[in-house]
Amino acid sequence: GAGVSQSPSNKVTEKGKDVELRCDPISGHTALYWYRQSLGQGLEFLIYFQGNSAPDKSGLPSDRFSAERTGGSVSTLTIQRTQQEDSAVYLCASSPAMGGELFFGEGSRLTVL
Amino acid sequence: DQQVKQNSPSLSVQEGRISILNCDYTNSMFDYFLWYKKYPAEGPTFLISISSIKDKNEDGRFTVFLNKSAKHLSLHIVPSQPGDSAVYFCAASVEGSNYKLTFGKGTLLTVNP
Repeated sequence: GAGVSQSPSNKVTEKGKDVELRCDPISGHTALYWYRQSLGQGLEFLIYFQGNSAPDKSGLPSDRFSAERTGGSVSTLTIQRTQQEDSAVYLCASSPAMGGELFFGEGSRLTVL
Repeated sequence: DQQVKQNSPSLSVQEGRISILNCDYTNSMFDYFLWYKKYPAEGPTFLISISSIKDKNEDGRFTVFLNKSAKHLSLHIVPSQPGDSAVYFCAASVEGSNYKLTFGKGTLLTVNP
């Protein structure tokens, strides 16, 4: 499809396990963003990519969180040693350039038991 | 510390009437404001935005008003339609960092036929 694609759509994992969430942005979009939405909260900024580099990763909650982007396209958000408080919907978005209208994917719902 | 606040978790209106969704912010550095709309199991979609140099922006049935002195913005939908039923998020950013949006918790709008 032409939109932002995220996988998996749902992930249930046990506390302490590592998880990887994938984002395939809209073709040609140079900027890519990760946000998360915890239950009852607004969307929280995690990290932003311009091309393959991440000028701002200030929103990553801890060093258990990391993200990379390769080929200026697909991005992977990795959470190591998951904790219950990591349970949230992780949303990826892309845009043609920095800022402006963000196009969001449907999100990956992570549940840590 | 919530910098963008949507104090009404929900709003219910009759079809054809006006819906008014409110948003307050505390960070005086915010200079660009957006509204996103989210249906269940979908990612948020951009609706309308306004720069701090304006006090009103209109797009069809949707109008956003900005009162900088009060640090308040509102989204007016008129006439409201059942298909407008969704969660509406207010978001704000700072010039130079407009890749990083700060979101409110959202307001669930229900438009009754």
